[in-house]
Amino acid sequence: DQQVKQNSPSLSVQEGRISILNCDYTNSMFDYFLWYKKYPAEGPTFLISISSIKDKNEDGRFTVFLNKSAKHLSLHIVPSQPGDSAVYFCAASGEGADGLTFGKGTHLIIQP
Amino acid sequence: DTGVSQDPRHKITKRGQNVTFRCDPISEHNRLYWYRQTLGQGPEFLTYFQNEAQLEKSRLLSDRFSAERPKGSFSTLEIQRTEQGDSAMYLCASSLAPGQGYEQFFGPGTRLTVL
Repeated sequence: DQQVKQNSPSLSVQEGRISILNCDYTNSMFDYFLWYKKYPAEGPTFLISISSIKDKNEDGRFTVFLNKSAKHLSLHIVPSQPGDSAVYFCAASGEGADGLTFGKGTHLIIQP
Repeated sequence: DTGVSQDPRHKITKRGQNVTFRCDPISEHNRLYWYRQTLGQGPEFLTYFQNEAQLEKSRLLSDRFSAERPKGSFSTLEIQRTEQGDSAMYLCASSLAPGQGYEQFFGPGTRLTVL
């Protein structure tokens, strides 16, 4: 039973264009959502987060949107750069549990 | 470097042996977490500590696994009688207490290979 789903295993985007990574969740008790970026042989690096009381959070080139009614969130990266090529994980917490629940990740490839 | 550190980075062991991993969190963080990641999956939560108290354990944490954080600083994760299915990346993360931010910051991980 996967509570956090990232249905696109990979995504290819041209440099300079917008990258949109999607994430769906099933547990309505989740109230905090995070995006992490991971390079090979390294631990995940925190990117951006959003609380369930908001529908948008922005940090530089990164914006996260939350649609609670659809149980869906997305990460927008504008403009995409070659260094953005990595695996991106969506994670959620809540329901009194403090361990994060992760999706399987989306491999973003930025094409020159 | 003031980030989360883990030691060793790689461990190869034979089935049935015991292994121990160490994690040093960011110094001002009082919460410390352990996760396991296998190929093609996201990290899976194992357990976490607030200071020296172990507050939550996942059902993934079998009896062969034990974690400690004796002085509320570094933590160790021990796996006894290792099995081939234990081969994975073991990740440690730390954070501030709730109300101060939920962001967890990860270390580089320890890759375990059980032969």
